[in-house]
Amino acid sequence: QVQLKESGPGLVQPSRTLSLTCTVSGFSLTSYGVSWVRQPPGKGLEWIAAIWSGGSTDYNSALKSRLSISRDTSKSQVLLKMNSLQTEDTAMYFCARWLSFDYWGQGVMVTVSS
Amino acid sequence: DVVMTQTPVSLPVSLGGQASISCRSSQSLVHSNGNTYLHWYLQKPGQSPQLLIYRVSNRFSGVPDRFSGSGSGTDFTLKISRVEPEDLGDYYCLQSTHFPPTFGGGTKLELK
Repeated sequence: QVQLKESGPGLVQPSRTLSLTCTVSGFSLTSYGVSWVRQPPGKGLEWIAAIWSGGSTDYNSALKSRLSISRDTSKSQVLLKMNSLQTEDTAMYFCARWLSFDYWGQGVMVTVSS
Repeated sequence: DVVMTQTPVSLPVSLGGQASISCRSSQSLVHSNGNTYLHWYLQKPGQSPQLLIYRVSNRFSGVPDRFSGSGSGTDFTLKISRVEPEDLGDYYCLQSTHFPPTFGGGTKLELK
């Protein structure tokens, strides 16, 4: 069955770089894309970035300068990097199948604090 | 970006009752291919969003027929009949017709 699972550090210091991994199973990254969505505590959902099945990428324009999304198809993993972290980046980060958003991971909580 | 406006923000309901949630977009969600990419999700506390309805009115696998979606253009509605305890949580609409995809602000379905 289709599964996505996020992993990454729970705590990151301000101004540092966040690295998150989404490991998928039940489908191929060359057949489906993967996106990242985040949710600050008690708030709504915000789309961040996506990598298409062909390998092209798209980013939220407000965050684009700080983001990088890539993949390792041999490991069925999608990697998200966000630099210059600020406290406002504290959120639950989800990966979801793109463009359908039909399957989501459980999420990983990232806290930006010194 | 397309702005998705959900109402109400909070919706008290009785078990066994009916609930209706509205989602309006700032521009038409009809894609050039004729499809409308408006979807509905339920997020239970501590969980990730789960797809209920895709492309306006299609129930996702395993979703009970108590959930129904309707609408067109810029105006969409999710209806839940015979509300059960497992239906409580936050509901979100999502449009993926236009780039970037955008979510509604959410509606909290809670017990009256």
